Amino acid sequence: RKEVEQDPGPFNVPEGATVAFNCTYSNSASQSFFWYRQDCRKEPKLLMSVYSSGNEDGRFTAQLNRASQYISLLIRDSKLSDSATYLCVVNKRSNYQLIWGAGTKLIIKP
Amino acid sequence: DTAVSQTPKYLVTQMGNDKSIKCEQNLGHDTMYWYKQDSKKFLKIMFSYNNKELIINETVPNRFSPKSPDKAHLNLHINSLELGDSAVYFCASSQDLGQAYEQYFGPGTRLTVT
Repeated sequence: RKEVEQDPGPFNVPEGATVAFNCTYSNSASQSFFWYRQDCRKEPKLLMSVYSSGNEDGRFTAQLNRASQYISLLIRDSKLSDSATYLCVVNKRSNYQLIWGAGTKLIIKP
Repeated sequence: DTAVSQTPKYLVTQMGNDKSIKCEQNLGHDTMYWYKQDSKKFLKIMFSYNNKELIINETVPNRFSPKSPDKAHLNLHINSLELGDSAVYFCASSQDLGQAYEQYFGPGTRLTVT
């Protein structure tokens, strides 16, 4: 089993719809979780950290389920500009290394 | 006002050559990284430096040698380039080594080995 797994997609979603995707991780001792966004041929940029209690930033909501070892990202009222690859990032045990998922590609269609 | 810059942006070279990629950050961060993103889009850490000291050295061939002359710079030298080295190499920095710190990435260097 991969340390961090994501559905590669693509998720084709009409503008204005709500979309959600998950990321599973294998190490139950992981403590830090993030969602990064990567546009085509660009560098990754932090979208949001994921807190134990869940957190929201505008149209984006991130949640953590420790029991089932996954994090999720929900995007409401999707915009064309949300089209990108969303990377799940999890820390590796107690060291300083972050493990990156391969990303979920999201395409918002007009 | 680029936060993390890399040069060159594109690099096309032949097998067997030696090349370097330079990275600079002007964020005042203590930690810098090199990542490799292959054609399958996996982002894998190669090296991590904190205050010019090597912290993480993942299993990469010793043909890859990082050098950090100061906290703001982390260069990557690659000897005897191979076809499999073709990828996008990203430099990144973060405030410190802590797991919760955001990483800021450079624009990437697209390396093609022919």
